[in-house]
Amino acid sequence: GENVEQHPSTLSVQEGDSAVIKCTYSDSASNYFPWYKQELGKRPQLIIDIRSNVGEKKDQRIAVTLNKTAKHFSLHITETQPEDSAVYFCAATPSGGYQKVTFGTGTKLQVIP
Amino acid sequence: ETGVTQTPRHLVMGMTNKKSLKCEQHLGHNAMYWYKQSAKKPLELMFVYSLEERVENNSVPSRFSPECPNSSHLFLHLHTLQPEDSALYLCASSQGPVSTDTQYFGPGTRLTVL
Repeated sequence: GENVEQHPSTLSVQEGDSAVIKCTYSDSASNYFPWYKQELGKRPQLIIDIRSNVGEKKDQRIAVTLNKTAKHFSLHITETQPEDSAVYFCAATPSGGYQKVTFGTGTKLQVIP
Repeated sequence: ETGVTQTPRHLVMGMTNKKSLKCEQHLGHNAMYWYKQSAKKPLELMFVYSLEERVENNSVPSRFSPECPNSSHLFLHLHTLQPEDSALYLCASSQGPVSTDTQYFGPGTRLTVL
């Protein structure tokens, strides 16, 4: 089955700096890669996603890049703000059949004002 | 937010108790999911239902028994649990079970097994 590794497990940045979270996956059949943000005590929420036919996607301060050859994808947050502090999860989903999402272990991001 | 709701929000039970978790989605979705979230571990998919039919059982012990009476409701029946089953149980729904359909999560039930 699919295995998703996520690094780092914790990340502290100064407000205004950039943050990068990296994930690798094992199943070359995976073709959809969502990112979720989970604030303390709240539910995970989708913040951005990317499909295997796209190398990069951007939404305001958030961007995701995908390298299918190397089987890794990354989340980039620019101009970080305190409200970006949360746990971020990457995930990978194989094509075909029913949805079976495999999540990474999460990265706890702390933005220091 | 009222898209996906879960009750109860917190539950403490003994190893011999029987309890049920409830999930309800108000989004008109056709697929629903149960996940287990433990500290320092990835979110683990437990069950997937599509149009009230179970389409995925991710090697979950039989002490967890799901039920989906209709496309809006999902239950997780618990019996004879172990302390290691203590975790946050999250329900989610999506338009369909297609891999690229966005999943919307409920707030979770924090379960403690004594």
